[in-house]
Amino acid sequence: QKEVEQNSGPLSVPEGAIASLNCTYSDRGSQSFFWYRQYSGKSPELIMFIYSNGDKEDGRFTAQLNKASQYVSLLIRDSQPSDSATYLCAVQGSNYQLIWGAGTKLIIKP
Amino acid sequence: ETGVTQSPTHLIKTRGQQVTLRCSSQSGHNTVSWYQQALGQGPQFIFQYYREEENGRGNFPPRFSGLQFPNYSSELNVNALELDDSALYLCASSPQGATDEKLFFGSGTQLSVL
Repeated sequence: QKEVEQNSGPLSVPEGAIASLNCTYSDRGSQSFFWYRQYSGKSPELIMFIYSNGDKEDGRFTAQLNKASQYVSLLIRDSQPSDSATYLCAVQGSNYQLIWGAGTKLIIKP
Repeated sequence: ETGVTQSPTHLIKTRGQQVTLRCSSQSGHNTVSWYQQALGQGPQFIFQYYREEENGRGNFPPRFSGLQFPNYSSELNVNALELDDSALYLCASSPQGATDEKLFFGSGTQLSVL
């Protein structure tokens, strides 16, 4: 059973601080890794994707991938109350299907 | 705002009934995937359609079936509804065939089975 694991949270972070979200996956053949943000009652919204080991930065967001450790993370700098949402990690395996984690609920406290 | 549209937005059915959910993919996208998201869980892959053919299926029973039309819009049909089918059903289209990368989701259909 291919799995993607995330801490369900909630993760509470003060406004302006760095929020760090983590995800581990079981399929070593996984090729692509995605972070989606989902507000309550809404559909997921793609915010980052990463294919290669290392860091990828986009504005306040940085995705980090370590294939040897089967670990992917998302850092959010200068956290804002509007960042409060559930963050879903999704991993595309060797069969091209996406396997999703259950999400981490992030709360940014003003 | 993506160009993926789903209908209806909300639906209430009773156990044993049948339901059809609809999805119009974003312009230029020829691949449509359907996901089921139960409360507090991540989306679960149901199946994917690429150029009108099923291209991968998740661990869902045959009473979950689908269709893709020449304009790449899609339907999800669920027969003999069960209480556990209550969930948010998400349709996603992607710009390249046969892969799931960079999915763009519709707003979803919230199905309640009573």
